[in-house]
Amino acid sequence: AQSVTQLGSHVSVSEGALVLLRCNYSSSVPPYLFWYVQYPNQGLQLLLKYTSAATLVKGINGFEAEFKKSETSFHLTKPSAHMSDAAEYFCAVTPGNSGNTPLVFGKGTRLSVIA
Amino acid sequence: NAGVTQTPKFQVLKTGQSMTLQCAQDMNHNSMYWYRQDPGMGLRLIYYSASEGTTDKGEVPNGYNVSRLNKREFSLRLESAAPSQTSVYFCASSARGADGYTFGSGTRLTVV
Repeated sequence: AQSVTQLGSHVSVSEGALVLLRCNYSSSVPPYLFWYVQYPNQGLQLLLKYTSAATLVKGINGFEAEFKKSETSFHLTKPSAHMSDAAEYFCAVTPGNSGNTPLVFGKGTRLSVIA
Repeated sequence: NAGVTQTPKFQVLKTGQSMTLQCAQDMNHNSMYWYRQDPGMGLRLIYYSASEGTTDKGEVPNGYNVSRLNKREFSLRLESAAPSQTSVYFCASSARGADGYTFGSGTRLTVV
C-alpha cells in the first residue's frame, strides 16, 4: 500500500524567501509522485509530477521538486515566495506500474506568505 | 474549456434526505474518482471507476453509492444524508496514472 506524509500542516514564509514543503512517501514499488495546489474555494491544480524520468522536476509558477529514492522524499521548493503562492499544497502517490490505481493524498500543507 | 464539471456547487440537506452529485468530463478519460475533503484530513477516496462499466470502493465508501452512467459521467449518491457527510466533494478524471488528475471545482455539502 502507498502512503504520504506531509511534514507541517502550516508553513509561513516571508515574501522573497525560500519555500520548502516536505513530502515523504511509502510505496512497495517505484512510485509516481505529484504535487497539487489548491487556492481558496477552488479545485486542485497539478503543479508537477515525477514519473521515473528526471529526478529533478520543474513545474508551473517556478516550483520544482526532487525525487530522492534513498530518502523516500519528494520535497517541493521555490526560490522566492510570492504573495500569490499562498494556498494549500498536497503531495500524492500512486504505484508506477499500476495503470489507474487511485492517488493517495497527504493531509496537505497550508502555505502563508507574509509581506 | 475542456475539463471536469460538477453540479451543484453548494447544497444544504437535512438529515435523512437524499441527493445525487453530478460529475461530467469532456476529455475522453477512462477513469473517474470521487474524493471528499475535510479540514486536516486531506482528500480521501470514496469510490472510483477505472473504466466505463466498473466501480470500486475507496477508503470511505459507507453511506455512498455511485453510478458510471457512461464514459463521460460519474455520479455520487447519498441515500440518507448524515451530518458526518458534511464535506467538500471533488470529482476527478484521468487518462492514465502517469498523467495525474484533472479536478472539478467541488461541491460544498452541508447536512443539518
